[in-house]
Amino acid sequence: EDKVVQSPLSLVVHEGDTVTLNCSYEVTNFRSLLWYKQEKKAPTFLFMLTSSGIEKKSGRLSSILDKKELFSILNITATQTGDSAIYLCAAAYSGAGSYQLTFGKGTKLSVIP
Amino acid sequence: SAVISQKPSRDICQRGTSLTIQCQVDSQVTMMFWYRQQPGQSLTLIATANQGSEATYESGFVIDKFPISRPNLTFSTLTVSNMSPEDSSIYLCSVEDVSNLAISTDTQYFGPGTRLTVL
Repeated sequence: EDKVVQSPLSLVVHEGDTVTLNCSYEVTNFRSLLWYKQEKKAPTFLFMLTSSGIEKKSGRLSSILDKKELFSILNITATQTGDSAIYLCAAAYSGAGSYQLTFGKGTKLSVIP
Repeated sequence: SAVISQKPSRDICQRGTSLTIQCQVDSQVTMMFWYRQQPGQSLTLIATANQGSEATYESGFVIDKFPISRPNLTFSTLTVSNMSPEDSSIYLCSVEDVSNLAISTDTQYFGPGTRLTVL
């Protein structure tokens, strides 16, 4: 059965800390790994990773994929209270004639002043 | 990215009734997806809705319970039928990324979601 496992499930840090969120995946016909930030209802897109070892960066956020170990991490440096959210990772895989995403349960990040 | 709207943003319904959720996109997309997120859980794909064909449902979801319409390339509806408290969830539509048709991408963009509470 395809699965995506995220750790930790929740995390509380102080402003300015650096955090690393983990995502392991096991899917058939893997295509890419995606990260989303969910603050209220709608997940907002952060990164899509298709190649191993190539870091994607956006401001204080960065992410990298290891296709050999079936693993990805999301780093957030100098955390701010606005980073408090649930971070979801999803594995894209080829389905019947198209592609689908299977999501992990998310990591709930709380950044306290 | 596409601008996606959903209506209603939230609703409280009585068991046994049905609710239709609308999803509108500001650009034409072939693939639209409907997800459910039960309290404390992650997103689960209900079905893929392609224009011009029947929706493709995932294991555990059936058309009689979650009928979907896709009348054109910018609009879709999901109906939650004969609701029970177990249907209380956030329902999300998403669309494929069509910002650059020259590049194949797996990115999906999500609508703002519909929070449904069934009493």
